[in-house]
Amino acid sequence: EAGVTQSPRYAVLQEGQAVSFWCDPISGHDTLYWYQQPRDQGPQLLVYFRDEAVIDNSQLPSDRFSAVRPKGTNSTLKIQSAKQGDTATYLCASSRDWGGRDEQYFGPGTRLTVL
Amino acid sequence: AQSVTQPDARVTVSEGASLQLRCKYSYFGTPYLFWYVQYPRQGLQLLLKYYPGDPVVQGVNGFEAEFSKSNSSFHLRKASVHWSDWAVYFCAVRRTGGYKVVFGSGTRLLVSP
Repeated sequence: EAGVTQSPRYAVLQEGQAVSFWCDPISGHDTLYWYQQPRDQGPQLLVYFRDEAVIDNSQLPSDRFSAVRPKGTNSTLKIQSAKQGDTATYLCASSRDWGGRDEQYFGPGTRLTVL
Repeated sequence: AQSVTQPDARVTVSEGASLQLRCKYSYFGTPYLFWYVQYPRQGLQLLLKYYPGDPVVQGVNGFEAEFSKSNSSFHLRKASVHWSDWAVYFCAVRRTGGYKVVFGSGTRLLVSP
């Protein structure tokens, strides 16, 4: 079974530039998560999908960040105008709902540096 | 809201020695608890998980953890550390029936020869 894949693995931007991250979850997994992991910190949830629907995006900076999962499979996270504070690793995870006992499987992440 | 504290940012252990990484959680009720490991430039991998039941949980590669409701703790243990265990370890909590997993800040494990 293929794991969660993400691309690109690395991105370096100037402030004000836009960037998109792509995630392909494990086949059959209906839930998908995007996390932001600043250096030397734990992951922090940004947004969560069940199929194509956004369930919780309360931690997503809505003025510059957006996330979609149009067909309930792959997902894209976009930063419209990056800031230095966005420097972090962006992790995608997926799971299959087993009545609350699902496990999240993580991709390798995209390491973003904003200069 | 649930939260997790990992009081040790860095722990150094000699190869072959025993290990304990500390985790304290805050949640009103009985949560689901997890330990994840992150190797350099990789995503997180699940080591073990606790769902209400037996308080001692066995994981992969000889890791185990013990849930204590009275101490609000979920410490990770290993009897004999190997150099390949050099990584960052994250404790995480999720409320029963919920979806949001809250992670601690992580403990970096260094293994000395």
